[in-house]
Amino acid sequence: KNQVEQSPQSLIILEGKNCTLQCNYTVSPFSNLRWYKQDTGRGPVSLTIMTFSENTKSNGRYTATLDADTKQSSLHITASQLSDSASYICVVSAVTGGGNKLTFGTGTQLKVEL
Amino acid sequence: EPEVTQTPSHQVTQMGQEVILRCVPISNHLYFYWYRQILGQKVEFLVSFYNNEISEKSEIFDDQFSVERPDGSNFTLKIRSTKLEDSAMYFCASSEAPPRIKLGEQYFGPGTRLTVT
Repeated sequence: KNQVEQSPQSLIILEGKNCTLQCNYTVSPFSNLRWYKQDTGRGPVSLTIMTFSENTKSNGRYTATLDADTKQSSLHITASQLSDSASYICVVSAVTGGGNKLTFGTGTQLKVEL
Repeated sequence: EPEVTQTPSHQVTQMGQEVILRCVPISNHLYFYWYRQILGQKVEFLVSFYNNEISEKSEIFDDQFSVERPDGSNFTLKIRSTKLEDSAMYFCASSEAPPRIKLGEQYFGPGTRLTVT
């Protein structure tokens, strides 16, 4: 069964600090891995998408890494801001015959405080 | 910037009633999706839709669910006889290409909160 596990479940950091969120997956056959940011009560917003051949991808203060051998990914946030407070979701896409089947992680709830 | 819109933002219905959740995907997108998120739980895939037919569905998407693209702009999710456990946030999403390729980035709507009493 395809699964995506994330850690930590929640995290509190001070504004300006860096943090790293982890994702482990057992999705096969792997197509791509995405990180989404979800504000409370809103839909997820894409941060990065990486395919098998990509090890790292940056989007502003967000940098995602992917190790397809160990089936692990991380999302690093630098110089955190209060607006970074949200749930960060790791999502893995599998190659299927149909249009889509994304497997979502449970998310890491990040809170940035003054 | 184009965005996916959903209506209503909040729907309250009684158990056993039918509900229709509406979505307007981004205009040049070809692939459409419904997801749900029960409060405090992860987002779950329900169904994908392409070329006027369902391309994939999850085990959650049983006979009480149906989707339709009644015209060139709307994409709807119907729940025929709602149950208490259908209470969740329902997200619509659309993409230019299928997510098995990188360009298949999905854009999510703001969601409809469905409350079944």
